[in-house]
Amino acid sequence: GAGVSQSPRYKVAKRGQDVALRCDPISGHVSLFWYQQALGQGPEFLTYFQNEAQLDKSGLPSDRFFAERPEGSVSTLKIQRTQQEDSAVYLCASSLPSGGNEQFFGPGTRLTVL
Amino acid sequence: GQNIDQPTEMTATEGAIVQINCTYQTSGFNGLFWYQQHAGEAPTFLSYNVLDGLEEKGRFSSFLSRSKGYSYLLLKELQMKDSASYLCAVSGGSYIPTFGRGTSLIVHP
Repeated sequence: GAGVSQSPRYKVAKRGQDVALRCDPISGHVSLFWYQQALGQGPEFLTYFQNEAQLDKSGLPSDRFFAERPEGSVSTLKIQRTQQEDSAVYLCASSLPSGGNEQFFGPGTRLTVL
Repeated sequence: GQNIDQPTEMTATEGAIVQINCTYQTSGFNGLFWYQQHAGEAPTFLSYNVLDGLEEKGRFSSFLSRSKGYSYLLLKELQMKDSASYLCAVSGGSYIPTFGRGTSLIVHP
């Protein structure tokens, strides 16, 4: 079976542009997480969905960041008016209902804002 | 809040044993994970501990002491391919794993 997929793998944006990052989780995985990873750092939590419900968005750094998962499967992370400090790898992970279940990570989207 | 601390970098020799430590402070505890991440790739699951003690899985073992807020990952018979970043992640009261900054392990011949 397929793992978690993300697209695009690489995105270059000019400062001020809007971007949309897509995540296709493993089929049947209820939980979906978005993380931001800067070079040399661990993944920083952004937001968490259980099915279509966004249960925690405390990690979103500003109101320019928005995430959705309307049908409880594919998720999109949108960043409006991108800034240079948004440059990072954005990781998506899915799992069975959260708890002691391992997270399966996608390959990430490397966003570079010029 | 949660605070996770692990060394930034370690080096070891091929064939040797290395222990990577992780200390944490959390509000609530629902388990500790270790992940391996090669450069430019996604993290992959290594282990999960929720009870005190040692969990062994092949060349990798993970230990947890909840009273001390301490875990370690033990890698035996090191191979060059083990050169990677090792991430400690703690699941707190919200069940959402919080990651440390990772330990970059360099294995040399």
